[in-house]
Formats: sequence, C-alpha cells, structure tokens
Amino acid sequence: DQQVKQNSPSLSVQEGRISILNCDYTNSMFDYFLWYKKYPAEGPTFLISISSIKDKNEDGRFTVFLNKSAKHLSLHIVPSQPGDSAVYFCAASAGGQNFVFGPGTRLSVLP
Amino acid sequence: EADIYQTPRYLVIGTGKKITLECSQTMGHDKMYWYQQDPGMELHLIHYSYGVNSTEKGDLSSESTVSRIRTEHFPLTLESARPSHTSQYLCASSEPPNTEAFFGQGTRLTVV
Repeated sequence: DQQVKQNSPSLSVQEGRISILNCDYTNSMFDYFLWYKKYPAEGPTFLISISSIKDKNEDGRFTVFLNKSAKHLSLHIVPSQPGDSAVYFCAASAGGQNFVFGPGTRLSVLP
Repeated sequence: EADIYQTPRYLVIGTGKKITLECSQTMGHDKMYWYQQDPGMELHLIHYSYGVNSTEKGDLSSESTVSRIRTEHFPLTLESARPSHTSQYLCASSEPPNTEAFFGQGTRLTVV
C-alpha cells in the first residue's frame, strides 16, 4: 500500500509559467517532507524540505506548501525553466525514520 | 560537487556472476542507504545502516547483502546475479534525525 502518492505521472508546462507538482500521503505520523529532482541516469538531488510545524517553505523559485489536514503537499516552481525538466519525487519520514518515496512526476517545461 | 560516489556507473554482467557495487561518502554521515529503482517507479529501500557494524534490511526484500566496516564505505553484493536483478541501484547518506539524504549518481545494472 503506497504511503506517498503522486497521482500525476507527467506534467507539461510552458516556459515562464508556474509548475505545480502534487503529493498526497496516508501516514499521519509523517512529520518531515522533501522534494527531490532526478535526471535520467543520475541520482536524485535534494530540492527543498518542510517540517510539519510549518505550512510553507520557500527557496528561490521553489516553494513547498503543506496542508496537514488534507495530508497533501505541493511544490511550486515559478517561473519554470527548460532545465527544470526532470522527474520530481516527493518523500516523507516519521520521527526521523527512513524516507518513503512516491513514484515521481515527470515534468516537461516547453520552450 | 558530489560527496557520495558510486562505482561502476553502468554494469552489464552475465547470469550467475558475483558483483559488488561500491558506495563511498566523504561527509562523515552515520546513516547510509541503498535504494533500488525501476523506470517510472518509486525508490524502494533495500538496505540501510546506522553506522559501523550496523546493517538492516529495508522495506523491499532483496537477495543482495551489505556491509559497513568503515563509516565512509557501504558496498552492496550480489552473490549470483540474475536478470531479475536488472535495475538502478542508488546509494545515499544522511545525518539523522531529520535532514535530507544525499544520493550518489547510481549504478545501472543489467544482468543478461
């Protein structure tokens, strides 16, 4: 049973527009969430994280929003750039335990 | 600049061969992980370690084994490779309790 879900396998966005990637989770004990970006044949690279005590964290073009009541988080990228084209993984952990990853969403930013 | 290194990057090997995938990190992290990922799928944790002489099995059952004799080194071994072992293997490390994991570039293993 998937504890971390990313229901959109792929997303296409025009360059300069906002990309919104979504993630849902089922385990209410999750208290730390991360987003990773992965290019083909490379390892994931960390983008941004958020603790459950916050509802928003921002780093440059990347903002993560957390809605605990809905067990939902989202990653906003604005403005989107062609170099952002990659697979984005949402991950979560509970009490410092091992991370659980979602299946990823493939983002394509079109010039 | 990567502080966690995996070798080889790509490996094509015949069925029945023994292989070791290498992973080293220079960050002094205590916790290390091995994940397996098939295309379009989530990363599955197959092994992890809390530190020297600690090894634990992950959520996904795996025929591979690991060892942790030194903090910086966490190799993964398959005694007898099979085509079902074809996958990408990703090594990572982190400094608990709640920090991000840093990943190596991965090893793409193909067993023919």
